[in-house]
Order: sequence, then C-alpha cells, then structure tokens
Amino acid sequence: GNSVTQMEGPVTLSEEAFLTINCTYTATGYPSLFWYVQYPGEGLQLLLKATKADDKGSNKGFEATYRKETTSFHLEKGSVQVSDSAVYFCAPTPNTGNQFYFGTGTSLTVIP
Amino acid sequence: GAVVSQHPSRVICKSGTSVKIECRSLDFQATTMFWYRQFPKQSLMLMATSNEGSKATYEQGVEKDKFLINHASLTLSTLTVTSAHPEDSSFYICSALQGAGGYTFGSGTRLTVV
Repeated sequence: GNSVTQMEGPVTLSEEAFLTINCTYTATGYPSLFWYVQYPGEGLQLLLKATKADDKGSNKGFEATYRKETTSFHLEKGSVQVSDSAVYFCAPTPNTGNQFYFGTGTSLTVIP
Repeated sequence: GAVVSQHPSRVICKSGTSVKIECRSLDFQATTMFWYRQFPKQSLMLMATSNEGSKATYEQGVEKDKFLINHASLTLSTLTVTSAHPEDSSFYICSALQGAGGYTFGSGTRLTVV
C-alpha cells in the first residue's frame, strides 16, 4: 500500500539555523512528491514538488531532492526565518491516481 | 495563478443542525475535487473524492449520509455536514485538481459545533 512517514515535531529552531524535516514513503508505481506548508490560520499551500528521480524541488529557500533509492524526500533550508513557522506536510501521490497521502505534519517554530 | 475559494472560513453551529461548506475553483474548471479533514495535531485525512456529475467516492470509515458531497458544476463542490455533533468539530479543507497533476487548496473551514 501507500504510506508516508514524516519526522515528528514539534521542531523549534533559532533564526538562521539549518532545517531538515525527514520524509520517507512507500508507494505503488512511481509517485510525484510534494511538500505542503500550512501557515497559522491558513489553508495548505504547495511549497515545492519533484516528479522524477533526482529532481530537486525548490522554493522560498527550501529544497528537497527525490531519492528513489531511499524512497525519501527530505525538506531542507539553510537558514530559517521566523516567518517559516508553520506546519509542513510531505505528500507523495501515485501517478496512477490522484490521491494524496499526507504525512502527519511537522510543526516548526522559529524563534528570534 | 489558480485559486480555490472555500467558504465559510469559520462557522459555529448548534448540535443537530446542518452546515454547508462550499469550494469553488475561480479561474479553472475542476472535474475532481477532494475533501479533507484535519483533526487537532493530526494529519489531514482524505474524506472523499468529488467528481463532477457523479457520486462522490468516500474513504473507508467516512459516513456518506452524514457528509453529503455534491459536485454539480465544474467549478463548485459542496460538503454538507448533516445533523452536526460536537465530534464533527474540525478543520475541513478542499482541494481541486487542476490540469496535469496540479492541486490547489482552499483556505479551509473551521467548524465548531456547540
């Protein structure tokens, strides 16, 4: 079946610290991989995506690389800001269907 | 960019009443929309897949008679929580499939049943 394992939170970092949020998945076929972000009081927004092996998705300083051999899509940012405080969801989706499988979400708080 | 408007953003209702949540794609046609529910401190849970002009497909464990989904047009899907109870209080989010694999999410609806 399809599933996703995401690093548990909450995560608290100081401003300018390095961020890694781990995500591994199991999926049938060859999924596309997404990271979504949910800022306080808002709905989900697509943060970045990668559709094939070794692709790197990037946006707003965040990066994630599609690692087929380890079935992982870890989210990284070199220097976090207070405005990055949010909940981050890893979501692989099989290309044979349209359903997302969301991770549990990782809450990130960045303190000045 | 593609926008999905979800309304209302917050609603408080009394136990036993019904609440309708709307999800509209504003500048694209969405033959498929998805409804999610988010419990406090938990992940999103897919409730159902809504297809224009046909019956919604519900995930296992989701009561279709309680959570009525209607997708009558290419730009509108509605979720009606019937005979709401306090345990239905949650954050509901819709998303619309746009083109080749792109998803746009609504802003979510915070439902509180008192």
